Amino acid sequence: DTGVSQNPRHKITKRGQNVTFRCDPISEHNRLYWYRQTLGQGPEFLTYFQNEAQLEKSRLLSDRFSAERPKGSFSTLEIQRTEQGDSAMYLCASSTRDRVSTEAFFGQGTRLTVV
Amino acid sequence: GESVGLHLPTLSVQEGDNSIINCAYSNSASDYFIWYKQESGKGPQFIIDIRSNMDKRQGQRVTVLLNKTVKHLSLQIAATQPGDSAVYFCAENITGRRALTFGSGTRLQVQP
Repeated sequence: DTGVSQNPRHKITKRGQNVTFRCDPISEHNRLYWYRQTLGQGPEFLTYFQNEAQLEKSRLLSDRFSAERPKGSFSTLEIQRTEQGDSAMYLCASSTRDRVSTEAFFGQGTRLTVV
Repeated sequence: GESVGLHLPTLSVQEGDNSIINCAYSNSASDYFIWYKQESGKGPQFIIDIRSNMDKRQGQRVTVLLNKTVKHLSLQIAATQPGDSAVYFCAENITGRRALTFGSGTRLQVQP
């Protein structure tokens, strides 16, 4: 499978706990995005990496959220002191600067439930 | 994007009919648009894209139309099949931004 891979697929955590999600983009895709999607809504942009540099962050990304892409390949998204409002699907997408279009390929997401 | 809560607009069509899903965008600076299909429990899947210098683009069984005058985008699916049942989102890329901005989705239900 050469698509975008996200782990875990599902995560249930207690309020106040920290969680970390991982995204493995398509090989050689230097652009990586994190989005959050709540039920019935379209995905909302969280943050963007070009190689290992985090170049853009949304206002949605509070201080409890941190994302890294240390080697310009896989990325992690950590949420500290989770709150019930963090329950959502967290989507990762990747794209390549070599494409004329900016289409992004999405992974299947990590569904987070905070209880 | 617009908030529609848990109640997505729904388009119900008969198998074999053509489907038209509409989307309005608000930012005149948007120069690139994409339609995504999302099945339950899965991430969005790219269907077709169009740049703002085009009015129409065709793919396999799908056509996207762009009307910049009224900031309207539509997705036409020919000979709709049960496998087309999903939620469809339009997304726009605003010049100078890296991220896509998604609109509210439309649920397509194909009746056999």
